[in-house]
Amino acid sequence: TQLLEQSPQFLSIQEGENLTVYCNSSSVFSSLQWYRQEPGEGPVLLVTVVTGGEVKKLKRLTFQFGDARKDSSLHITAAQPGDTGLYLCAGEGAGNNRKLIWGLGTSLAVNP
Amino acid sequence: NAGVTQTPKFRILKIGQSMTLQCTQDMNHNYMYWYRQDPGMGLKLIYYSVGAGITDKGEVPNGYNVSRSTTEDFPLRLELAAPSQTSVYFCASSYGQFNEKLFFGSGTQLSVL
Repeated sequence: TQLLEQSPQFLSIQEGENLTVYCNSSSVFSSLQWYRQEPGEGPVLLVTVVTGGEVKKLKRLTFQFGDARKDSSLHITAAQPGDTGLYLCAGEGAGNNRKLIWGLGTSLAVNP
Repeated sequence: NAGVTQTPKFRILKIGQSMTLQCTQDMNHNYMYWYRQDPGMGLKLIYYSVGAGITDKGEVPNGYNVSRSTTEDFPLRLELAAPSQTSVYFCASSYGQFNEKLFFGSGTQLSVL
């Protein structure tokens, strides 16, 4: 069974701090997607990483896909209250397995 | 552009009642999905559709039914509601490749009492 483990589960920081959240698996994924979900809303796609070792930047957010395509990280620089939310990663199975595996998420609170 | 629209936003059902959760998208996406999200359990795929007239089971299909008569609409039917179906339900759609770049609706919070 493919699993995606996200850590930490909860994170509460002050505005301006940096943070990194992780998404790890023992399985290889063909791609990995990161979403942010705010209370009462559905997840919103932030980025998709496809190539092992790939790094993508979205303003203050930096996403990295592991060389072996088994793990990913999201680094936020100078966090702001607007970054508050649940960060979810979802890995798409490699080969003929197109199943999307979801992590349980990291709940981030950025305090003013 | 409305995106993915779900109705209702909230609903309370009694055990054994039936209801349909509505989902419509205006982006002409071929792929549509129904997920449920429970605390500590993450997002679980209930059913999906790769196009009008084609549907298939996901991980947790028991107790649910779907239909896809048009590209835009993908309703989810609960026939005999049970407390285990208390959850937040999300409809999503995508274009291009299956399971890539999902656009989600804002969800339906369902309680079965």
